[in-house]
Amino acid sequence: NAGVTQTPKFRVLKTGQSMTLLCAQDMNHEYMYWYRQDPGMGLRLIHYSVGEGTTAKGEVPDGYNVSRLKKQNFLLGLESAAPSQTSVYFCASSSAGEAGELFFGEGSRLTVL
Amino acid sequence: AQRVTQPEKLLSVFKGAPVELKCNYSYSGSPELFWYVQYSRQRLQLLLRHISRESIKGFTADLNKGETSFHLKKPFAQEEDSAMYYCALKVSANQAGTALIFGKGTTLSVSS
Repeated sequence: NAGVTQTPKFRVLKTGQSMTLLCAQDMNHEYMYWYRQDPGMGLRLIHYSVGEGTTAKGEVPDGYNVSRLKKQNFLLGLESAAPSQTSVYFCASSSAGEAGELFFGEGSRLTVL
Repeated sequence: AQRVTQPEKLLSVFKGAPVELKCNYSYSGSPELFWYVQYSRQRLQLLLRHISRESIKGFTADLNKGETSFHLKKPFAQEEDSAMYYCALKVSANQAGTALIFGKGTTLSVSS
């Protein structure tokens, strides 16, 4: 039982490049989330999804897109990476009935040069 | 506006001393609050939630709606309590379901 798995764990990009972070969960959770963690800023919600085929904007959605084509996967895309997107990205999932208990992935460290 | 405020970036205490990590919130609805903890080299995980009024690892937190606070307390700190602590608020967005927003976090450092 892997829980929440994020790939890749590390990535270095050049400004303007695109990439996709993949989050997979095997707990049959309805809700999935993407956060970014920055020093002094804590965790900020980028986008989230309350079910397959649905997504919603969080606190800092600009510059990111997401898709939830399958219940177990939640993809975070950067179409044109910027240095301001250098961060550690965390995916999380929760059941609809226990939406306050999030299960987190290990994080993906992204550096944009 | 919905917001979670943790005023202290770093809290340093000695082993055996009491600990209080502060959290204040702003939310127009009925608040549901949580404390999450991130130990070194471990995943972020739920510590406790106000609804269950439980004590986990000696930590307690009481929701004070009058002061809009949800401070985390422990009477006697242990070195293994050293970690980053986040306060979180569950927010609702009509058709978009619910999500958690987090404060900026407080690093607790317990030394002997």
